[in-house]
Formats: sequence, structure tokens, C-alpha cells
Amino acid sequence: NAGVTQTPKFQVLKTGQSMTLQCAQDMNHNSMYWYRQDPGMGLRLIYYSASEGTTDKGEVPNGYNVSRLNKREFSLRLESAAPSQTSVYFCASPAPGTGYTEAFFGQGTRLTVV
Amino acid sequence: GDSVTQMEGPVTLSEEAFLTINCTYTATGYPSLFWYVQYPGEGLQLLLKATKADDKGSNKGFEATYRKETTSFHLEKGSVQVSDSAVYFCALSPDSWGKLQFGAGTQVVVTP
Repeated sequence: NAGVTQTPKFQVLKTGQSMTLQCAQDMNHNSMYWYRQDPGMGLRLIYYSASEGTTDKGEVPNGYNVSRLNKREFSLRLESAAPSQTSVYFCASPAPGTGYTEAFFGQGTRLTVV
Repeated sequence: GDSVTQMEGPVTLSEEAFLTINCTYTATGYPSLFWYVQYPGEGLQLLLKATKADDKGSNKGFEATYRKETTSFHLEKGSVQVSDSAVYFCALSPDSWGKLQFGAGTQVVVTP
């Protein structure tokens, strides 16, 4: 059981380039989330999807777009990368069986924008 | 809005020492509280949780008690091991949709 899988694990972009971070979960969960992790700031919610076909903004959505492609997949897109988007990105999916109180995380994507 | 404050690190300890990481929160209503752990190069894993006041979460020798009167959820372990070296995040979930509000994280380094 892989849980939550993110690709790629590492990426270096030049300012202005675009890319899509992929996330897939095999736990048949409805909800999926994207967080970014920055030193001294913990993890902050970028976007989330409570169910297939719905997405909502989190705390720091500017500069990002998301797509909930199907129940399994939730992608995060940077249309024009900026150095301020250098961060570690985590996809997560909370388990309905726990009342959505326990989240399973991917291993993260370390993104550097130069 | 909701927020979580935890002690800054890094915290450096010798093996078998006692560990405490302080966590306090601000929230409306009755959030669920969590400690997540991040080992080097990995994603976050749930360490323990408590969903109502006075609940005690425990796992792998770690404990934390949900104290509503002091709005705290301090993490403790009586005897740490080198393998406990990690970053520890306190978090709360204000609603039933699983969104998490995280503290800044505390790095713990345990030396032999």
C-alpha cells in the first residue's frame, strides 16, 4: 500500500518557468491537500480538495493552481515560478475512517527556483 | 484565526534524557490536536492525537495531554533515543474536513 505518492522528488526551475507537481493516493480518500513547508513557518495550506470535482483556496494560494483530475490525483501547478516559491511541497490526504483527523503525507517535492 | 505556537529548536539532548516540547494553541471551538514527526528526508507521520479536552495521546513512548484550560498540548518522552532525532510539529484541526494548522516545528537532535 503506497499511500500518497508525489513526483518529482526534486526540481530546479528558472524564474518564469512553469511546472506541475503530481500527487496520487491509493487509499480511496475523498480529500486531498497541498501544503508548502518553509523554515520557521511550519506547513501552510495552499489548496485543498474536499472531494472529486471541488477545489478551494487555503492560506497561501497566490501563484498556484490545482486540478483534481479524479479521485486519486490532485496536481499543483506553478504557471510562472518565482524565487519566493522555493520550498518543500507536501501532498496529504486525511483518512475518513478517523473522522478526517489523521492525514497521510507524501514524501515531498523539494523545489528550488533560481 | 487559529494558530499554533511551539518552542523553537533545535533541542539537543543526550540519549536517555527527558524530552519536553511545549505547544500552545489559539482556536475557536474545540479543535483536535496532533503531533506529527518528520524524519530526515521523509514526509510527516502522525505521532499521536487527542480529540477532546483531557484526552491523552500516546505512541512510541511519547505522550501529550489536551489541556483546554491552558490551551496546551505539550509533547513528552521519558527517555529519548538517537532514532528520535527528527522535526516535531504540533498541529490542530479546527473542523471536520481535515485541514491542519501547524506550528513552526521543533528540531530535536539526540546524541549518543
